[in-house]
Amino acid sequence: GESVGLHLPTLSVQEGDNSIINCAYSNSASDYFIWYKQESGKGPQFIIDIRSNMDKRQGQRVTVLLNKTVKHLSLQIAATQPGDSAVYFCAERDGAGTALIFGKGTTLSVSS
Amino acid sequence: NAGVTQTPKFQVLKTGQSMTLQCAQDMNHEYMSWYRQDPGMGLRLIHYSVGAGITDQGEVPNGYNVSRSTTEDFPLRLLSAAPSQTSVYFCASSYQAGLTDTQYFGPGTRLTVL
Repeated sequence: GESVGLHLPTLSVQEGDNSIINCAYSNSASDYFIWYKQESGKGPQFIIDIRSNMDKRQGQRVTVLLNKTVKHLSLQIAATQPGDSAVYFCAERDGAGTALIFGKGTTLSVSS
Repeated sequence: NAGVTQTPKFQVLKTGQSMTLQCAQDMNHEYMSWYRQDPGMGLRLIHYSVGAGITDQGEVPNGYNVSRSTTEDFPLRLLSAAPSQTSVYFCASSYQAGLTDTQYFGPGTRLTVL
């Protein structure tokens, strides 16, 4: 079956460091992946997405890397700031294109 | 645009009570969905709709009903609440039904069933 998981439940970094959050997926047919940020008491917020025909996509201070060979997805945050503290979820579109399958999340804590 | 709105923000129910969680979007989105989020878990899909008059089940549909009579609204009904339904509920929408674009989430409803 399809499943999306993250390698580490928590990640602690210093302000200004680069952060890398990892995610593994099991369905090699998945063609669309999304990273969400969820702050305490709020709904998930879209950060960046990537389609399976790409290896890398960059946004503002964020980069998503997709390695289809090992079914691995990562989110890199440059110059991490205290405002980046949140739970980060990866999500995968299911084979039918009707649902997103979410991983369990990584809590990023940024100390100044 | 108000985006995706949900009411109420908080709700406490007794076992066996029924209630409806409201969700509305003003972005003319085709696709709408309901997720539940439990502590330490990712979001799990309850029901979804690809357009007015069309609904389907997600991963965890038992105990919940939905309807989509208009493009804007997608209410979630709990017919007989159970403690296992204590959770945070999120509604989400996206422009196209194929989930190939950004999905926007509401602020959530925190439900406690005693």
